[in-house]
Amino acid sequence: TQLLEQSPQFLSIQEGENLTVYCNSSSVFSSLQWYRQEPGEGPVLLVTVVTGGEVKKLKRLTFQFGDARKDSSLHITAAQPGDTGLYLCAGQGTPLVFGKGTRLSVIA
Amino acid sequence: NAGVTQTPKFRILKIGQSMTLQCTQDMNHNYMYWYRQDPGMGLKLIYYSVGAGITDKGEVPNGYNVSRSTTEDFPLRLELAAPSQTSVYFCASSDTGREPQHFGDGTRLSIL
Repeated sequence: TQLLEQSPQFLSIQEGENLTVYCNSSSVFSSLQWYRQEPGEGPVLLVTVVTGGEVKKLKRLTFQFGDARKDSSLHITAAQPGDTGLYLCAGQGTPLVFGKGTRLSVIA
Repeated sequence: NAGVTQTPKFRILKIGQSMTLQCTQDMNHNYMYWYRQDPGMGLKLIYYSVGAGITDKGEVPNGYNVSRSTTEDFPLRLELAAPSQTSVYFCASSDTGREPQHFGDGTRLSIL
């Protein structure tokens, strides 16, 4: 069974701080997706990473896929209250394999 | 485009009652999914479908049933509601199963 472990489970930081959250597995995935879920809404796709070592940037968010395609990280620079939410990683499979998420709270 | 539409948005049930959560998508996606999300937790897959007439169990299927008679609709049925089924239910769809999933806004269900 493929599993994705996300860490930390919870993170509370001040506005302007930097942070990194992690998504790790013992399995290789052909691609990995990151979603953000805001309170009261469904998850929304942020990015898909496909190639080992790939780095993608989305404004202040930087996503990296590990060289072996077993892990990924999300780095947020200068966090803002609007970044608050649940960040989920999901590995390609049928069906998609979701991690349990990192719940981020950015305090103004 | 509406995307994935779930109804109702909120519902309160008594123990032992039954209900159907509706999900419809207008993107002609083949794959559809039902998840539940307990407070403060991630998503747990209940059932999924890779096309009309085909359904398969996910991680937590007990107490639920699904059907997929059309590409657009994927209803989730609770036959005998139990307090443990209090949760937020999300429906999602994707085109090929390898594409990102599009989620509805959820149905918040309380069973008392």
